[in-house]
Amino acid sequence: RKEVEQDPGPFNVPEGATVAFNCTYSNSASQSFFWYRQDCRKEPKLLMSVYSSGNEDGRFTAQLNRASQYISLLIRDSKLSDSATYLCAVNKPPGNTDKLIFGTGTRLQVFP
Amino acid sequence: SAVISQKPSRDICQRGTSLTIQCQVDSQVTMMFWYRQQPGQSLTLIATANQGSEATYESGFVIDKFPISRPNLTFSTLTVSNMSPEDSSIYLCSVDVPPQHFGDGTRLSIL
Repeated sequence: RKEVEQDPGPFNVPEGATVAFNCTYSNSASQSFFWYRQDCRKEPKLLMSVYSSGNEDGRFTAQLNRASQYISLLIRDSKLSDSATYLCAVNKPPGNTDKLIFGTGTRLQVFP
Repeated sequence: SAVISQKPSRDICQRGTSLTIQCQVDSQVTMMFWYRQQPGQSLTLIATANQGSEATYESGFVIDKFPISRPNLTFSTLTVSNMSPEDSSIYLCSVDVPPQHFGDGTRLSIL
């Protein structure tokens, strides 16, 4: 089993749609979780950290389910500019180390 | 967040040669990381570079192939040695601000 797994997609959705991505992780000792956005031929950029209680930033909501070992990202009211690859990242135990393991990314394409 | 600059941004190299990639940060950071992103793949951590100590390499990566320097708290280099076409990739440095932020990457092609 991969340490961090994501559905590669692509997810093709119309503008205004709501779309959700999941990311599962294998090590229950992981403590830090993040979502990054990567545009084509660009470096990953931090989208948001994922907190235990869930957190929201505008149209984006991230949630953590420790029991089932997955994190999710919900995008509401999709915009054309949301088209990108979304990478989840999980810290590599032991402890709350700074090393991150990345999923393969989920590609989102928003169409008019 | 920190401003992270990588040089070169891209290069085309002959097999058997070596290339050193530089990563400069505009503030002092304890930990710097080097990743590789092969075509169509996600990021794979190569090593962690701490100032004043040897880099820590992940499984599958060795110092002879990817020597790393970390002379101070704002700078690091990664050398890709004895390159082969399989080394064609994007190489990214990141710093833990926290959390991790990335430089704009070095796109490397080996002929």
